[in-house]
Amino acid sequence: GAVVSQHPSWVICKSGTSVKIECRSLDFQATTMFWYRQFPKQSLMLMATSNEGSKATYEQGVEKDKFLINHASLTLSTLTVTSAHPEDSSFYICSARFRETQYFGPGTRLLVL
Amino acid sequence: SQQGEEDPQALSIQEGENATMNCSYKTSINNLQWYRQNSGRGLVHLILIRSNEREKHSGRLRVTLDTSKKSSSLLITASRAADTASYFCATGDRGSTLGRLYFGRGTQLTVWP
Repeated sequence: GAVVSQHPSWVICKSGTSVKIECRSLDFQATTMFWYRQFPKQSLMLMATSNEGSKATYEQGVEKDKFLINHASLTLSTLTVTSAHPEDSSFYICSARFRETQYFGPGTRLLVL
Repeated sequence: SQQGEEDPQALSIQEGENATMNCSYKTSINNLQWYRQNSGRGLVHLILIRSNEREKHSGRLRVTLDTSKKSSSLLITASRAADTASYFCATGDRGSTLGRLYFGRGTQLTVWP
């Protein structure tokens, strides 16, 4: 139980385009999901908390207009990287909260050329 | 910063040996969780220890928590090559209803056959 999926697992795009990443809780409902970013050999940096039916809560320093989050249902949250640039290249991981624990998706590797 | 810090940053041992990783944090917490990440993958939840618990076991894993020292340790006994991964501690924000987790930089464990 408590499985979280992410799609796509990797994406390559041109600079200036927008990329959407989906995060789904497969066997439970999640009112709260989280988006993280991870650079090579570094820790996970919390970007935002996604709340079903309301606006996301962004961590300090994360641009809301750059990283659009939509939590439209109890099993789906999406992260859209708008007008992506090479510095947005990273590993993006989502998680969904189930009871006290967060369960993580497998991650999406984004490469912006 | 609320994030935990793991020590050591890297640990290299032989199969069969025990591996001990430590985590220190700065703020009051509700719980502390340990996660494992294989290279390029998502995180796998290992164990959660609440602030009123001192020790917890799960299979070959043993976690301790000392809230007076704001530290935790993860012990993996009789390690196997398949235990090779990065291990992160994550602290839950005491008093926060959002359930955010803050991660340390991780310990890279390498277990040699």
